[in-house]
Amino acid sequence: DAGVIQSPRHEVTEMGQEVTLRCKPISGHDYLFWYRQTMMRGLELLIYFNNNVPIDDSGMPEDRFSAKMPNASFSTLKIQPSEPRDSAVYFCASSFKRGASIYFGEGSWLTVV
Amino acid sequence: EDQVTQSPEALRLQEGESSSLNCSYTVSGLRGLFWYRQDPGKGPEFLFTLYSAGEEKEKERLKATLTKKESFLHITAPKPEDSATYLCAVEGNNYGQNFVFGPGTRLSVLP
Repeated sequence: DAGVIQSPRHEVTEMGQEVTLRCKPISGHDYLFWYRQTMMRGLELLIYFNNNVPIDDSGMPEDRFSAKMPNASFSTLKIQPSEPRDSAVYFCASSFKRGASIYFGEGSWLTVV
Repeated sequence: EDQVTQSPEALRLQEGESSSLNCSYTVSGLRGLFWYRQDPGKGPEFLFTLYSAGEEKEKERLKATLTKKESFLHITAPKPEDSATYLCAVEGNNYGQNFVFGPGTRLSVLP
């Protein structure tokens, strides 16, 4: 089975540009998570969806960040406008129910210059 | 507020030198405690789930145990390929108690 698929793997962009990260969860998983990882703050949950509906977005840093899940097999995380402090690894993960392990993609490495 | 701490922050072992990593947590109603391994440049890889105090899980050289306040990841006779960052996470029973990750322990096993 294919795991969680993320794209792009690496992105370098200039400050002020829009960034869109994409994720395809594991088929049959009803929960989708977006995490951000930095050396300073570790893994932080940004937002999660259940059955395509955003449940908790309290971790989204500010209005520049938005996430959507138009269907069960696709989600996006958008940053507009991007800033250098957004540089991090963004992980998408999915699970089939609460209390079950979550499975991570390989991450999108974002550098904003 | 749910919290997860891990110790030590970093650990260097000689090949074959057994040791344990600690994960301490506070959560009002534990739904599950999870251990992950993360290699540089990769996403976290799931290792174990523990649900109740007294539970143990094993996989090759790794054994995870759980009490009401902490979990241990025991590494027996480690090999260099066990070098990685080990992360622990907890999920609570209450609505909104989502996966909270600890900061991780960076393990280096020297040949």
